[in-house]
Amino acid sequence: DIQMTQSPSSVSASVGDRVTITCQASQGIGNWLAWYQQKPGKAPKLLIYGASSLQGGVPSRFSGSGSGTDFSLTISSLQPEDFATYYCLQAKRTPLNFGGGTKVEIK
Amino acid sequence: EGQLVESGGGLVQPGRSLRLTCVASGFTFSSYEMNWVRQAPGKGLEWVSYISATGTNIYYADSVQGRVTISRDNGKNSLFLQIHSLRAEDTAVYYCATSGYYYYMDVWGKGTTVTVSS
Repeated sequence: DIQMTQSPSSVSASVGDRVTITCQASQGIGNWLAWYQQKPGKAPKLLIYGASSLQGGVPSRFSGSGSGTDFSLTISSLQPEDFATYYCLQAKRTPLNFGGGTKVEIK
Repeated sequence: EGQLVESGGGLVQPGRSLRLTCVASGFTFSSYEMNWVRQAPGKGLEWVSYISATGTNIYYADSVQGRVTISRDNGKNSLFLQIHSLRAEDTAVYYCATSGYYYYMDVWGKGTTVTVSS
């Protein structure tokens, strides 16, 4: 199975800050990686797929990069609505595995 | 725009069975692969199961293999998850989600809550 290690588990940041979250796969997954945003009591929302492709309707301040085993999600200028928990997902093969999540909190 | 609505959750005693349903609307359900994903209280997301558009290919997480059956009825735009021998650790919000592009889960329902307790 492909395990996903996400870091940090939480980050405190202010509006306007640049925030980067990383995800490491236990083996190479090419660019088969997605990023999700989840707010309390809500379903996850797909932000990025294919490691770097922005899902329709997602603001351009979100960007993804990486391939193989190391990936990152960057929010270039944090907005109030971005405070949430973010998860990576390896989509190379089943069983699909999410990272442990990163909670982005207000500083 | 596509919509998914889950139902069937509730309070269930350990050892019992439960069948969750996800009804799709606003898109051609029979063309989409589907998944179940769950989230225990205060925990992260856990993929549970996948079924291909025709139902030919099915996969399960190791944690539920042998106790869970995924199925679909394309004529009724419905996805199902049967869970047997329920355990406390099955307590979670269960989401259904489409895989519109390979395994990427893009459209999600709001979830249905399963609580396993005596």
